[in-house]
Amino acid sequence: GDSVTQMEGPVTLSEEAFLTINCTYTATGYPSLFWYVQYPGEGLQLLLKATKADDKGSNKGFEATYRKETTSFHLEKGSVQVSDSAVYFCALSDRSGNTGKLIFGQGTTLQVKP
Amino acid sequence: NAGVTQTPKFQVLKTGQSMTLQCAQDMNHEYMSWYRQDPGMGLRLIHYSVGAGITDQGEVPNGYNVSRSTTEDFPLRLLSAAPSQTSVYFCASSYRDSRGANVLTFGAGSRLTVL
Repeated sequence: GDSVTQMEGPVTLSEEAFLTINCTYTATGYPSLFWYVQYPGEGLQLLLKATKADDKGSNKGFEATYRKETTSFHLEKGSVQVSDSAVYFCALSDRSGNTGKLIFGQGTTLQVKP
Repeated sequence: NAGVTQTPKFQVLKTGQSMTLQCAQDMNHEYMSWYRQDPGMGLRLIHYSVGAGITDQGEVPNGYNVSRSTTEDFPLRLLSAAPSQTSVYFCASSYRDSRGANVLTFGAGSRLTVL
């Protein structure tokens, strides 16, 4: 079945460092891909998405490119801030979009130190 | 807009008790779903609904029941609570955007402890 694999955390960075969180997926067809972020004590919020190969999703300085050839959707940010400390989830849904379901990776905790 | 509202935020149950987690959305979304979040396991789908009167099982449905009598509400029932159901539960509603992607909006979560 479809699945998502993320790099294990926690990832600890100093402020202004470059961030990469790896995400790879296994899916039939052409899924849509997402990054969600969960701040402490809160629900998940959509960070960015991409719906076809070579699409780049971006938001709040974060970017991810849909790479079909490597089945990857790595999250990057050029300069992280303390306020970016959160848990980041990679997810996919099938392109039919007929069910409203997402399949999530296990999440990667990011800690940014001042 | 309130978005997705879940109640209660916290609940402690004894083994064997039953309870209902409430979920309501005010965005007129077709799709609603329930996930549980456990350390190191991401979010796993319990049940989902593609519209009023239609529900289906997700990855981990055992011990849970759902119904969808209205577009707005999607309660999750624990029939006989077990310690393995200790978790954080998230309700989500979603729609398909113009490119066919499911866009989910999550509630703030309900933390359940079963003793």
